[in-house]
Amino acid sequence: GAVVSQHPSRVICKSGTSVKIECRSLDFQATTMFWYRQFPKQSLMLMATSNEGSKATYEQGVEKDKFLINHASLTLSTLTVTSAHPEDSSFYICSAIQPERANYGYTFGSGTRLTVV
Amino acid sequence: AQSVAQPEDQVNVAEGNPLTVKCTYSVSGNPYLFWYVQYPNRGLQFLLKYITGDNLVKGSYGFEAEFNKSQTSFHLKKPSALVSDSALYFCAVRDSSGGYQKVTFGTGTKLQVIP
Repeated sequence: GAVVSQHPSRVICKSGTSVKIECRSLDFQATTMFWYRQFPKQSLMLMATSNEGSKATYEQGVEKDKFLINHASLTLSTLTVTSAHPEDSSFYICSAIQPERANYGYTFGSGTRLTVV
Repeated sequence: AQSVAQPEDQVNVAEGNPLTVKCTYSVSGNPYLFWYVQYPNRGLQFLLKYITGDNLVKGSYGFEAEFNKSQTSFHLKKPSALVSDSALYFCAVRDSSGGYQKVTFGTGTKLQVIP
């Protein structure tokens, strides 16, 4: 089955520093990956759609200069939270579509708990 | 525009009793519908989907869901709840009209199975 690996699972960083989160599709090529942020009251917010070899498409209200997304290969997308602040603390989840199983929905990574102190 | 509503923030059920987690949706075309489960500090796991065909869909861990087009609903059900079913459940929808269209998620329902 399709597997998406997300790393790190937890990270604590100081305010003002940058943090990179990796999302890898392990056994399939993912031309499209998605980045979500999950807030304490449960809801998933789509931040951006990451397309291999092109610029990410950001959702309204998401700062593209703060949340840098790079999808340089068919198996790797990265989210970099730049100049992190405590309000960026959250649970970030990536997902990917397996092209030949597009109708089957997404495969999700295990998430990254970011804490900015 | 497409949307999903999960009207209950939390559902409590006694172990061994049947459970239902409600979901209604809105899409312009034909829907593809999904249920996912999330355990604490984990990503979402796929439970089941409706694409076409039989309205009653069976998925992982004994869960099933019934697609009801007239009521635009896709409620998640299980005949006998287990304590281990306690988790956060998300309903999701996307329009079936081609391409990698965005999947829209509901706000989630926390299921608490009481021993």
